[in-house]
Amino acid sequence: AQKITQTQPGMFVQEKEAVTLDCTYDTSDPSYGLFWYKQPSSGEMIFLIYQGSYDQQNATEGRYSLNFQKARKSANLVISASQLGDSAMYFCAMREPYNFNKFYFGSGTKLNVKP
Amino acid sequence: NAGVTQTPKFQVLKTGQSMTLQCAQDMNHEYMSWYRQDPGMGLRLIHYSVGAGITDQGEVPNGYNVSRSTTEDFPLRLLSAAPSQTSVYFCASSYSIGQADNEKLFFGSGTQLSVL
Repeated sequence: AQKITQTQPGMFVQEKEAVTLDCTYDTSDPSYGLFWYKQPSSGEMIFLIYQGSYDQQNATEGRYSLNFQKARKSANLVISASQLGDSAMYFCAMREPYNFNKFYFGSGTKLNVKP
Repeated sequence: NAGVTQTPKFQVLKTGQSMTLQCAQDMNHEYMSWYRQDPGMGLRLIHYSVGAGITDQGEVPNGYNVSRSTTEDFPLRLLSAAPSQTSVYFCASSYSIGQADNEKLFFGSGTQLSVL
């Protein structure tokens, strides 16, 4: 069974607008971590933001925020004021501590920012 | 601070050949892992290790072998390369639970492997 689901293979957004990338997850462990990574065309994996399952507030890092809805098991990434440099693949990931610290990744969303 | 160093960056193999992808980290991370990235499938876990001498299988372990003799190094061995192993491979490491704020994965720069 898929642990992480990203249902948007590709998205377009106008420069300076906000965009939401969807992510749902599946776990029975009460303690877990949720991550978003960016992969530009150069191929490296860049950490963006983290949300712990016990965190009361949504995580924010600059223009990135994570819309964490625990009951719905969703962890959407919101990018405000999109820039051309935001064009990349975005991966949602989950860490299950009880399961020997395994990480699971979604299939990714390709974001294209239009000028 | 080098972080996670992964070599080589590119490799072409013939079917049946064997090779080792090297991975080293200098952050004293207990957790290390190998992923393969294929189009439309995201990153899939091949093998991982939670400390020296301890390894376990991930989602797609067949055709790969690992060992962890030191905290720093975690090589991935392809025993007999097949075209289905054409992929981009990433090594990653992280702190163990409780050692850091979020235990995020630190990635190497990736290896593009083609098996002909």
